[in-house]
This record gives sequence, C-alpha cells and structure tokens, in this order.
Amino acid sequence: SQTIHQWPATLVQPVGSPLSLECTVEGTSNPNLYWYRQAAGRGLQLLFYSVGIGQISSEVPQNLSASRPQDRQFILSSKKLLLSDSGFYLCAWKTGGWDQPQHFGDGTRLSIL
Amino acid sequence: RKEVEQDPGPFNVPEGATVAFNCTYSNSASQSFFWYRQDCRKEPKLLMSVYSSGNEDGRFTAQLNRASQYISLLIRDSKLSDSATYLCALTRGSTLGRLYFGRGTQLTVWP
Repeated sequence: SQTIHQWPATLVQPVGSPLSLECTVEGTSNPNLYWYRQAAGRGLQLLFYSVGIGQISSEVPQNLSASRPQDRQFILSSKKLLLSDSGFYLCAWKTGGWDQPQHFGDGTRLSIL
Repeated sequence: RKEVEQDPGPFNVPEGATVAFNCTYSNSASQSFFWYRQDCRKEPKLLMSVYSSGNEDGRFTAQLNRASQYISLLIRDSKLSDSATYLCALTRGSTLGRLYFGRGTQLTVWP
C-alpha cells in the first residue's frame, strides 16, 4: 500500500533562516505531488505541484521554492524565512485519473520566531 | 466568487443527532467531488468520494446536485468521535488533479 512521509513534524526557525522540508511517497510510481500551506484558522492554500521529476508549477508568488529530484521525493525550500511563512505545511500525492483524490502526509508545523 | 464555499459553523450537536453540511461550487465544469475530515492540528483525511447518484458509507451519506451546484454530507447518529472539521473538495477534470478546497465546516458533537 502507498504511504507518504513528511519530516520534520515540527520546526521552529528564526526569521531569515533557510528552510528545507522533505516529502517521500512509497508504494507507487509517477505520482502527482503537491505542497499546501494552512495558516492558523485558514483554508488550504496550494503552493506547488509536480507531475514528474524536475517539473514544478507554482501557484502563488512567494519566497518559497520546490524541487522534485526523484520520482517520489518532493522538497519545499526557502533561502530566507519570513514571519508570514509560519503555518502547517502539507504534502499530498495522487495517482490514477483526474477523478482520484489526493492523500496527505502528516504535515510539518512551522513556527517562525 | 470563491471556487468552493462552505458554512464554517461551528455546528454543535448532541450525540445521536443527524447533521448535514452543504458545500457550493461556482464552476459548472467541476468534475469530481470529495469530503475530507480534518482533526485539530492533523492532516486532512479522505472521508469519501461523492458520486453523481449519491453514496453512503455507514452513517455517512454524500449527495451531489449538479443543477444547483452543491454537494452535501449527512451524518446520522453522530458520535463524539465525529467532532472535526469537514472539508469539501473538487477537481475540474484536469490531469494535474488539482483539488479546490473549501475552508471547512467545524462540527462538535457533545455528550
């Protein structure tokens, strides 16, 4: 069966520091991969999605970037974190047709000080 | 107009009650529909897909009304463990599989 791993679960970073969050999917190949952010009391905001290795699409302009170095690995990065980057970061995957749902990892709770 | 709109609630119901949530969508090209459940400080988890003819999974019933552009979730015989935020989501049929989420409806079931 398919599983998705995200780490770390919790992260506290100072403003201006770099960021790297990793997401790995197991048990499937060529998944679509997604990064979301959920700010406190807010809805899910799609940040990036990827349909294959090296293929990244950005939904919103920001100081974050994403990369997909391997088929089942998706990385979210920042060179300099802002206070507004605080939130709950979720990675999701899907396979199959357009009518299939996405499945989420456990998420990373990021606090910027 | 937002892609997907939900009443944020909160809905506070006693155990054993029946409760229903609606979710409206603005794009008639929307193709597939889902309900997710999100517990406090946890990731969303797929509760059920919503099929055109309606579908049931135990105490949960999902309906789709394309003419009025809304989906609904009915929970019968509410349990304390049903307390969560319920998110509706839809796709437009793109192979990218992008999901559009509502902001969620908060449900609290009290004893």
